[in-house]
Amino acid sequence: ETGVTQTPRHLVMGMTNKKSLKCEQHLGHNAMYWYKQSAKKPLELMFVYSLEERVENNSVPSRFSPECPNSSHLFLHLHTLQPEDSALYLCASSPRGEAAEKLFFGSGTQLSVL
Amino acid sequence: GQNIDQPTEMTATEGAIVQINCTYQTSGFNGLFWYQQHAGEAPTFLSYNVLDGLEEKGRFSSFLSRSKGYSYLLLKELQMKDSASYLCAVKDSNYQLIWGAGTKLIIKP
Repeated sequence: ETGVTQTPRHLVMGMTNKKSLKCEQHLGHNAMYWYKQSAKKPLELMFVYSLEERVENNSVPSRFSPECPNSSHLFLHLHTLQPEDSALYLCASSPRGEAAEKLFFGSGTQLSVL
Repeated sequence: GQNIDQPTEMTATEGAIVQINCTYQTSGFNGLFWYQQHAGEAPTFLSYNVLDGLEEKGRFSSFLSRSKGYSYLLLKELQMKDSASYLCAVKDSNYQLIWGAGTKLIIKP
């Protein structure tokens, strides 16, 4: 148990659906991250929030929309996704978002887009 | 471009020793991380190296050579539960984490 909880664990959606992924951490961390993990590819950083402000957006398509209502919760809103968006979406947190800090990951949401 | 290379898959025998290599070409260096990820689970932190040399933590050790752009993770007395993917990641000069694609380690009895 890493202290970071993601729901749902699995999600199947059509290209016209709208869904949201949820991440929750009770570690008192100030930084939260969304990553995309595709098979046999490096982790791709999507978004970073520090103290509830978005500090990074790595050219992610607008069909992915993050939301961080408070330092414990992070959402990823999905709409009109493409089949190539099928992947494992990982949430992570760290104490202050600083260089030497390790990340605490959730177990991810396995997303399949049909 | 920035790049992290590690073998895609390795196989080892229970009780043996295995070394997983990671080479990197990044714009600057601010530390190297190793994470373990069991199938269907969260990646979990194993080690962090920022200075050259060997860091030992129980059965696991991590080595760094900054001049060679090289690190390895050494696992001793392998157990079946060590079957997992091992991810190497480097923080570059902008403190961005650059990730390798991971090494899937298969342990056989």
